[in-house]
This record gives sequence, C-alpha cells and structure tokens, in this order.
Amino acid sequence: AQSVSQHNHHVILSEAASLELGCNYSYGGTVNLFWYVQYPGQHLQLLLKYFSGDPLVKGIKGFEAEFIKSKFSFNLRKPSVQWSDTAEYFCAVTPSGGYQKVTFGTGTKLQVIP
Amino acid sequence: EAQVTQNPRYLITVTGKKLTVTCSQNMNHEYMSWYRQDPGLGLRQIYYSMNVEVTDKGDVPEGYKVSRKEKRNFPLILESPSPNQTSLYFCASSPQGVRAPEAFFGQGTRLTVV
Repeated sequence: AQSVSQHNHHVILSEAASLELGCNYSYGGTVNLFWYVQYPGQHLQLLLKYFSGDPLVKGIKGFEAEFIKSKFSFNLRKPSVQWSDTAEYFCAVTPSGGYQKVTFGTGTKLQVIP
Repeated sequence: EAQVTQNPRYLITVTGKKLTVTCSQNMNHEYMSWYRQDPGLGLRQIYYSMNVEVTDKGDVPEGYKVSRKEKRNFPLILESPSPNQTSLYFCASSPQGVRAPEAFFGQGTRLTVV
C-alpha cells in the first residue's frame, strides 16, 4: 500500500516570499501524483498532477511541482505567494494504471501575511 | 455546470439516529468515493465505487455503509452514528479512461453527532 508524508503542517509566509511545500511518498511501483488546494470553507480543487514525462509540472495560479523519482518526492513550489494563496494544500498519490485507491497526505496549512 | 452535489451541507444529529448523506454527480463518472476530513489527519477514504453495484472499503469503513444503484448517485449511510463520526465529509467522482484521473469534490457535509 502507498503512503504520503507532508512534513510541514503549518507554514507562514509574507507576501512575495517563495514557497516550497514538501511531499514524500512510499510505493514500490509507478505512481500518479497530485496536489490539491482547499481554500477556507471550500472543497478541494486540483492544482496540478503528474503521471509521466517531464518531471516539472506546471499547474494553475503559478504553482509548479517537481517529481524526483530517486527521492520519492513531489514538492510544490511558487516563486512569489499572494495573500489569496492562504489555504490548505494536500499531496496525493495513486498507483498508475486506471483508477486506483488514492491516498492523501495530512495537509499543509499555508498562511500568507499581507 | 459539471459538479458533485452533496446534501445536506450541515447536519447535527443525536447518537444512534440513522442518517443518509446524498451525493450526486452530473459528469457521467464511473468512480466515486467518500472521504472524511479531520484536523491533523488529512482526508481518509471511507468507501469507493468503481461502477454501478461495485463498491469497496477504503481506510476507515467502520460504521458506514454505501450503495451505488445508479451511476450518478453514491449515498453514505450511517446506521447508528456515534460522536467519533463527527467530521467533515466529502464525496468525489473521477472519470475512467483518463491518465491520472483527478478527483472532483463536492462542497462537503459537516456532521456533528451529539
């Protein structure tokens, strides 16, 4: 079975600071990787996903993530955060090949101070 | 508009009183899931369904039931709710035939069991 670790539980940044949120997974085979965002009081929405090819994936709102297979990592980055990025961010993993069980990390709460 | 609709959005009930949370999607997705979200624990899968009449347990199925009689609907049933089932519940659907299928989430149901 797969597992996901998000080591940063709560991150506080000032506007315009750079962001990097860590995500490590454990699984013996090939995987699909996702980052979801949950704005306060709302449901989860997809930010970006990786399934093959270029390990640097670009998503919505200026976010990107890099898949490093040797490190089992899929860290989320943004060069300059805005107050509107205040939200909770979830990394998720699923084995490749059709629909498979999805496992979410415990989430990272990002607070951006104006 | 493509969406996943959950009802009710908020529910307060008493221990032992059976309840059903409905979930409906209009995207003709084959896969549907239920999750509960608790602080510090992220999202944990309760049950999922690969198609009509096909359901399986997720990570935390105890105390819950589901059914998938129609493709669009996937209700979550709590036969005898207990206070430890107080949580935020999300329904999600995903398409078949797509590489790395993303989950489309409903708005959530906040359940309090007293």
